[in-house]
Amino acid sequence: GENVEQHPSTLSVQEGDSAVIKCTYSDSASNYFPWYKQELGKRPQLIIDIRSNVGEKKDQRIAVTLNKTAKHFSLHITETQPEDSAVYFCAARTGANNLFFGTGTRLTVIP
Amino acid sequence: DGGITQSPKYLFRKEGQNVTLSCEQNLNHDAMYWYRQDPGQGLRLIYYSQIVNDFQKGDIAEGYSVSREKKESFPLTVTSAQKNPTAFYLCASRNRGLGNTEAFFGQGTRLTVV
Repeated sequence: GENVEQHPSTLSVQEGDSAVIKCTYSDSASNYFPWYKQELGKRPQLIIDIRSNVGEKKDQRIAVTLNKTAKHFSLHITETQPEDSAVYFCAARTGANNLFFGTGTRLTVIP
Repeated sequence: DGGITQSPKYLFRKEGQNVTLSCEQNLNHDAMYWYRQDPGQGLRLIYYSQIVNDFQKGDIAEGYSVSREKKESFPLTVTSAQKNPTAFYLCASRNRGLGNTEAFFGQGTRLTVV
């Protein structure tokens, strides 16, 4: 099955700086890559996703890049704010199959 | 108000007892999933169901059981055979098919064995 690795496990940045979280996947057939944000005590919620026919996608302060050749994808958050503090999960899926999640990154934005 | 609901939010169980966690969705989603979340280990798949009356084991199914008698319900039973059941359990659902790919999560159930 698919194996998704996520780094770093924790990340602290100053407010206003950028944050980057990286994931790699093993199954070259994976074609859907979502990112979820989980605030403390709450459910994970989709913040952005990308499909394998696209190399980059942006939504305001967040962006995701995908390198299919290298089998890695990254989440970029610019102009970080304290409310960005949360655990972020990457995931990968092949077609209509199950999502495989990374181990999560705890992001702390320091005011 | 559509969504996916888990109950209860907190659950305490004595060792040796079975306990059932509820998951209900009114999103008309075909597929439903149960994940276990432990610190530093992300979300691990326990069981999933793509259609009514059918379900499959995930990566860590031992000590758990499920049923899918109705499209909107996918209860998870944590049996006494589960060696380390204390964890945060998340249920999710989504439409099958390549076009509708987002998974929606419930608010989770925190199970503690006492």
